[in-house]
Amino acid sequence: EAGVAQSPRYKIIEKRQSVAFWCNPISGHATLYWYQQILGQGPKLLIQFQNNGVVDDSQLPKDRFSAERLKGVDSTLKIQPAKLEDSAVYLCASSPELRGGYEQYFGPGTRLTVT
Amino acid sequence: DAKTTQPPSMDCAEGRAANLPCNHSTISGNEYVYWYRQIHSQGPQYIIHGLKNNETNEMASLIITEDRKSSTLILPHATLRDTAVYYCIVRVGYGGATNKLIFGTGTLLAVQP
Repeated sequence: EAGVAQSPRYKIIEKRQSVAFWCNPISGHATLYWYQQILGQGPKLLIQFQNNGVVDDSQLPKDRFSAERLKGVDSTLKIQPAKLEDSAVYLCASSPELRGGYEQYFGPGTRLTVT
Repeated sequence: DAKTTQPPSMDCAEGRAANLPCNHSTISGNEYVYWYRQIHSQGPQYIIHGLKNNETNEMASLIITEDRKSSTLILPHATLRDTAVYYCIVRVGYGGATNKLIFGTGTLLAVQP
């Protein structure tokens, strides 16, 4: 089966600009996650969707970050305006809803550099 | 979710078994032990998980102590492609409200030729 797709793979922007990342999960996976991974750290969950509803966004900086999952399939994560500390890899993951606590499948990530 | 403690780095000779330890002394009765790994410039990859019994799959074996306060991930014949950061995570598995994974900093396993 095809894996989780993300684009772009790399993005360089200046601070105060906006940026958007796209994720297409594995077909049929109801649960979708966005993680932020700062260099040298493990991934940190930003937001979790179950179909097109938000399950957990407690770690999402809502003053500048937003995410949506229209139609319960692909998703976009936006940052506006970006700060230097937003430089990180943004990972998307998906998992099958009905299988409870089964594994998450991760995409390759988008590396964001804010200058 | 319970916290885990892992050594920051380990070395292993190619072809030998790699044994990666993890301490999770505050694990609850309904929490599973999960292992993921992250090869450089890739997303994390699921390896294995278990509750109290030892588990084995095509990638690795997971040994959980009887008191469940620690576990060991075993890669039986490490190759250079196993060089990665290995994350040990404990979380509620089945029936939990979310599938949240809380990653620490993991163990960087370097397989030497």
